[in-house]
Amino acid sequence: EIVMTQSPATLSVSPGERATLSCRASQSVGSNLAWYQQKPGQAPRLLIYGASTRATGISARFSGRGSGTEFTLTISSLQSEDFALYHCQQYINWPKTFGQGTKVEIK
Amino acid sequence: EVQLVESGGGLVQPGGSLRVSCEASGFTFSTYWMHWVRQAPGKGLVWVSLISSDGTITSYADSVKGRFTISRDNAKDTLFLQMNDLRAEDTAVYYCATDLHGYFDDWGQGALVTVSS
Repeated sequence: EIVMTQSPATLSVSPGERATLSCRASQSVGSNLAWYQQKPGQAPRLLIYGASTRATGISARFSGRGSGTEFTLTISSLQSEDFALYHCQQYINWPKTFGQGTKVEIK
Repeated sequence: EVQLVESGGGLVQPGGSLRVSCEASGFTFSTYWMHWVRQAPGKGLVWVSLISSDGTITSYADSVKGRFTISRDNAKDTLFLQMNDLRAEDTAVYYCATDLHGYFDDWGQGALVTVSS
């Protein structure tokens, strides 16, 4: 099973600032990496797939980079609606494992 | 518009059984692989089970293997998760999710399952 590790667990950022979230895989997943956003009491929502492709309707503030074992999600200028929990997931192998999540909170 | 609506969650005693359902609309259900993913209170997402579009392929997380059964009714656009021998550690919100390209495009709102005496 591929283990996904996200860092940091919590990121405190001021509105308008940039946030960078990291996700590391225990073995190469190529570009088979997705990011999801989850707000309190809501289901996850697909943000990024293929490590860098934004899903339909996702703001250009969100960008993904990386391949192999190291990935980042950058939110260029945090808006109030961006404060949420973010999950990465590899989908090259079964089981399709998730990281433990990074909470982006208001500083 | 894709819609996934879970139902069937609730409170059950340890050792009990429960079946959660996920009714799909807005897409051709029979062409999608489907998954169940759960999230314990305050925790991250954990993949639970998958089923192929025609129902012939299934897979389970080790933690639920032998206790949970995934199935689908393509005529009724509905996904199921039968959960037996439930344990306290199965307490979670259970989400169904679609899979056309490997990642999970759309998610239901979730069904809360609480295992407690």
